[in-house]
Amino acid sequence: SAVISQKPSRDICQRGTSLTIQCQVDSQVTMMFWYRQQPGQSLTLIATANQGSEATYESGFVIDKFPISRPNLTFSTLTVSNMSPEDSSIYLCSVKGGPGSYEQYFGPGTRLTVT
Amino acid sequence: KNQVEQSPQSLIILEGKNCTLQCNYTVSPFSNLRWYKQDTGRGPVSLTIMTFSENTKSNGRYTATLDADTKQSSLHITASQLSDSASYICVVSATNFGNEKLTFGTGTRLTIIP
Repeated sequence: SAVISQKPSRDICQRGTSLTIQCQVDSQVTMMFWYRQQPGQSLTLIATANQGSEATYESGFVIDKFPISRPNLTFSTLTVSNMSPEDSSIYLCSVKGGPGSYEQYFGPGTRLTVT
Repeated sequence: KNQVEQSPQSLIILEGKNCTLQCNYTVSPFSNLRWYKQDTGRGPVSLTIMTFSENTKSNGRYTATLDADTKQSSLHITASQLSDSASYICVVSATNFGNEKLTFGTGTRLTIIP
C-alpha cells in the first residue's frame, strides 16, 4: 500500500490569490493524480503528473489555472491560481498500486475555501 | 458517455441494522468496479475491487456484488456500526489500449445512529 500526505489540510483564501498544495508519497511512483471533489459532486480528475515530463490535463482543466510540478518520484504540487469562489473544493492527490494491481490510494485531501 | 449512478443519495439506519447501497453504470470497455469508503475529512479508502468475472467479494462486514450483464453493483453492510458512517463511492474503471479511465459516482452518504 501507499501512504500519502498532503499539505495544507485546509485553507481559506481570498479570491485572486493562489495556493500551492503539496503531496508526498512514501514510495516511488511513476504517475501521480490530482482530483477535485466539489461539494456534493463526484471526484473529477484534474491532471496526471509524470516525473520528468509535462502533466497531462483533462478536458476543462488548463495548466495556467492548475500548474503542477513533479520534481521527483515521491512528490508533487498542484497550484490553484487566481482563485475564485468556484474553486472551493477538496483537492486530492492519488497514486496507483504496484504493477498488476487495480488499487488506487488517495491522500487525505486539502479542503480549500475561497472567499 | 460513461456514467455511474448511485442510490440512495443518503441513508440513515440504526446501529446494528443491515443496509444495501446500489450502483448502476454505463461504462465501456469495462475493466473493474470498486467501492470506496470516504470518512469526513479523509480521502477515499478501497473496500472491494471486482473484475468482470467476479460477482461477489467480501471485506469483513462489507459484501459487494456485481452483475456485469445488467451493469449493476451493490454494497451490503452487515450489522452496521457507528464507524460505518461515511460516504460510499462506486467507481468503474474502463481500460482502452492500456489507458485506464475511472468514472466516479457521487456517493451514498450513510449515517448510522445509535
